[in-house]
Amino acid sequence: DVVMTQSPLSLPVTLGQPASISCRSSQSLVYSDGNIYLSWFHQRPGQPPRRLIYKVSNRDSGVPDRFSGSGSGTDFTLKISRVEAEDVGVYYCMQGTHWPSGYTFGQGTKLEIK
Amino acid sequence: QVQLVQSGAEVKKPGSSVKVSCRASGGTFSRNIINWVRQAPGQGLEWMGGIIPFFGTTNYAQKFRGRVTISADESTTTAYMEVSSLRFEDTAVYYCARERQERATVYAPIEFDDWGQGTLVTVSS
Repeated sequence: DVVMTQSPLSLPVTLGQPASISCRSSQSLVYSDGNIYLSWFHQRPGQPPRRLIYKVSNRDSGVPDRFSGSGSGTDFTLKISRVEAEDVGVYYCMQGTHWPSGYTFGQGTKLEIK
Repeated sequence: QVQLVQSGAEVKKPGSSVKVSCRASGGTFSRNIINWVRQAPGQGLEWMGGIIPFFGTTNYAQKFRGRVTISADESTTTAYMEVSSLRFEDTAVYYCARERQERATVYAPIEFDDWGQGTLVTVSS
C-alpha cells in the first residue's frame, strides 16, 4: 500500500503568518494518464472534511487564494500565505493514483493559532 | 449544488450489522461514484469502498472485503453502506463522498468532491 506521511503533525501559527504542510508518498503519484491524484482536505471539529485542492494544485471553488498546493513525484506541499482564524483544524493529504490498492490519507496535521 | 444527507446515529452490539444511508439531492446520481470513508474517534480518515449506482459496480478496500457491502438505489438517489459482524473497533463516523464527474467505471482514480455530514456508529455491549 502507498503510505502518505505528513509533517508536521502539529502546527501552531500566529494569525497573519504563513504556514506550510508537507506530504510525502512512499511511491510516485504520477498516474498513467500523466496526472497526479493528490488532494488536500481541511476538517474542522465535528465537521466532514472539505476538499481544498485536487490534482496537486487546483483550488476548489470557494477556497481562498491564500491556499496553494504544489509538488511532484513523491513530495507535496500545502501552503497558506496568511493564516486566518477560520483555518484552524486538521489538514489531510490523500492519494488516488494507486487506487487499486486503495485511496490513502496522511495522518493529518493539526493547525492551531498561537 | 449537490447535497449528501446521511442517516442518523446508531448504537449497535458487537456481532450485529449496521446499514448507513446517503441520499443525494440536486445534480446527477446514477453515474456519479459514491465513496465511503470512516473516521474512528480522534483518528484519521480511512477509505472503505465505492460504487457507481447505474452499473452497480463496486470497489472495496482489501481490509473491508467480505464484511462491508455498498449498494445504491437509483429510484431514491440513495447509496448504502452496510457493515456486518460489528466489532468495538468499528466505532467511527462514517462519511459518504461523491465525485461530481460522471463515469462508466470505478476502476480509475476517483475524486472526493462533496461529502455527507457523517453518521456516528457506536459499537457497544
